[in-house]
Amino acid sequence: AQSVTQLGSHVSVSEGALVLLRCNYSSSVPPYLFWYVQYPNQGLQLLLKYTSAATLVKGINGFEAEFKKSETSFHLTKPSAHMSDAAEYFCAVSWNTGFQKLVFGTGTRLLVSP
Amino acid sequence: GAGVSQSPSNKVTEKGKDVELRCDPISGHTALYWYRQSLGQGLEFLIYFQGNSAPDKSGLPSDRFSAERTGGSVSTLTIQRTQQEDSAVYLCASSLAQSGGSRNEQFFGPGTRLTVL
Repeated sequence: AQSVTQLGSHVSVSEGALVLLRCNYSSSVPPYLFWYVQYPNQGLQLLLKYTSAATLVKGINGFEAEFKKSETSFHLTKPSAHMSDAAEYFCAVSWNTGFQKLVFGTGTRLLVSP
Repeated sequence: GAGVSQSPSNKVTEKGKDVELRCDPISGHTALYWYRQSLGQGLEFLIYFQGNSAPDKSGLPSDRFSAERTGGSVSTLTIQRTQQEDSAVYLCASSLAQSGGSRNEQFFGPGTRLTVL
């Protein structure tokens, strides 16, 4: 079965430090890739998406992600963390199977300390 | 409306009772999805609608779960004879179309938190 793996259920960084959240997917078929953020008691908000255009994708709030086909990865980065970035981040993948069922990773909670 | 809305935001029920969860998608979105977010299971796809039809219900965990969509808009997820393991946040999402490409971006509602005592 196709799957998505997020390495690290929790990631802690200091304010101003680099943020790196990892995501790998299981299929060799090029997928559509997404990163969503979820703030406490809120729904999911799309950060960015890859849909076979540029491999480096820029999203909201200074986040970006790079699609690497050879590594089947789509890691999320931000050069400098803010306190407001503390949230849970989900990587999601869909394959063009006729409808866009999203397969989610298990999520990574980002903790930002002063 | 401006976004996907869901009601109620919180629902507490007793084991064995039936519950209905409602989703109002973004106006004009033809595709609608239900997901469940629970501890230990993460985010799971349940069912999707294209218009009023549900081509794939394979994510529904048991026959106690059903969903319908009317008028190509509002959807209701019904759970009969609720069990404690049904406790979760139920998320609804909608998108412009169900095909691939940029129109497939899913917009999520805030969810309904269901607690089964």
